[in-house]
Amino acid sequence: GQSLEQPSEVTAVEGAIVQINCTYQTSGFYGLSWYQQHDGGAPTFLSYNALDGLEETGRFSSFLSRSDSYGYLLLQELQMKDSASYFCAVRDKGRSGANNLFFGTGTRLTVIP
Amino acid sequence: DTGVSQDPRHKITKRGQNVTFRCDPISEHNRLYWYRQTLGQGPEFLTYFQNEAQLEKSRLLSDRFSAERPKGSFSTLEIQRTEQGDSAMYLCASTALASSSYEQYFGPGTRLTVT
Repeated sequence: GQSLEQPSEVTAVEGAIVQINCTYQTSGFYGLSWYQQHDGGAPTFLSYNALDGLEETGRFSSFLSRSDSYGYLLLQELQMKDSASYFCAVRDKGRSGANNLFFGTGTRLTVIP
Repeated sequence: DTGVSQDPRHKITKRGQNVTFRCDPISEHNRLYWYRQTLGQGPEFLTYFQNEAQLEKSRLLSDRFSAERPKGSFSTLEIQRTEQGDSAMYLCASTALASSSYEQYFGPGTRLTVT
């Protein structure tokens, strides 16, 4: 099976930087994805790491350490619209040997003025 | 709008009734996934299709749940004899290839309420 751990809630000030951590346990790990979900909306893809290191996409960056089974999402220059839930998801072999995503329970980010 | 559509958007049903949801993925996408999401939780994997073949089902998926993708295009998810615990958002997602499964395009979901 798979298990992922994320903080349940984070609050940060507009313009600041926030880091959302994710630790995981899985047997057939391929990579770690991050998704954003606004209240009432669908999850949308943010970033993916298959190899160790940092991936940067605009204000968002994602980091992976395969040896530590750990990753994080870094959000810079926070804006009010960044208030949402953020999910890490392991891309895993699954029972059939194919690629599936298994999601964590999510971190609710609240950006305050 | 990701290009993935789901119908209906909301469904209220009485316990014991059967319900069916439809998902239309992005047209060129071969892979289609179904998830269930409850409040405060992440999407929980239910099943997925590669074209018309259902390749994996979650061990958590009850026998009351069945999914089809008869022509490799749209998919349906049926829940028989609904229970109150089935109340959730049912999400559909698609990707073009197995190698791009890390980037899934989600539909708006069908919110099921079982009374």
